Amino acid sequence: GAVVSQHPSRVICKSGTSVKIECRSLDFQATTMFWYRQFPKQSLMLMATSNEGSKATYEQGVEKDKFLINHASLTLSTLTVTSAHPEDSSFYICSAQGDLGGETQYFGPGTRLLVL
Amino acid sequence: QKEVEQDPGPLSVPEGAIVSLNCTYSNSAFQYFMWYRQYSRKGPELLMYTYSSGNKEDGRFTAQVDKSSKYISLFIRDSQPSDSATYLCAMSADGQNFVFGPGTRLSVLP
Repeated sequence: GAVVSQHPSRVICKSGTSVKIECRSLDFQATTMFWYRQFPKQSLMLMATSNEGSKATYEQGVEKDKFLINHASLTLSTLTVTSAHPEDSSFYICSAQGDLGGETQYFGPGTRLLVL
Repeated sequence: QKEVEQDPGPLSVPEGAIVSLNCTYSNSAFQYFMWYRQYSRKGPELLMYTYSSGNKEDGRFTAQVDKSSKYISLFIRDSQPSDSATYLCAMSADGQNFVFGPGTRLSVLP
């Protein structure tokens, strides 16, 4: 089956620092990757959609200068939370959609970010 | 009205019971329907995928779509404690932009 990995799985950082989260499709090419944020006991909130080689499309209310997304290859997308603040603490999940056919999104295991 | 509605639960059932999970939606353009299972502090994993209306069965899981009523269901037969998780429905009109329900927390008691 399709496997999507995320790294790191957990990160704790100080307020004001930047954090980079990697999302990789391990056994398929991901033409589109999605970044979600999930608050406790709540559903997934789509932050942005990225297609390989082009700029990400951000959802309304998501600051593109704060959440930098790079989809440089068909197997890797990164999300950088710049100048993180405690309110950015959350569970960030990526998903990938690609050459396996169809519309299925395969999710990574998520990254828990805690900003002190 | 939210685009996708789902009872958040928690839903507790005894082991072996048949579980019925449901979502309603308002956008008649939705035609791609997914069910995901999410264990605590993990990413969602795809359980079932249905295009347009009808039923789909995979092992103990059956997904139903009733587009006329804008209602989808996931049935779990012979439920097991390992089925305890949050179940998310997701749907899309174009196959790319999915809207997720808030999820239903299911607890199967041994």
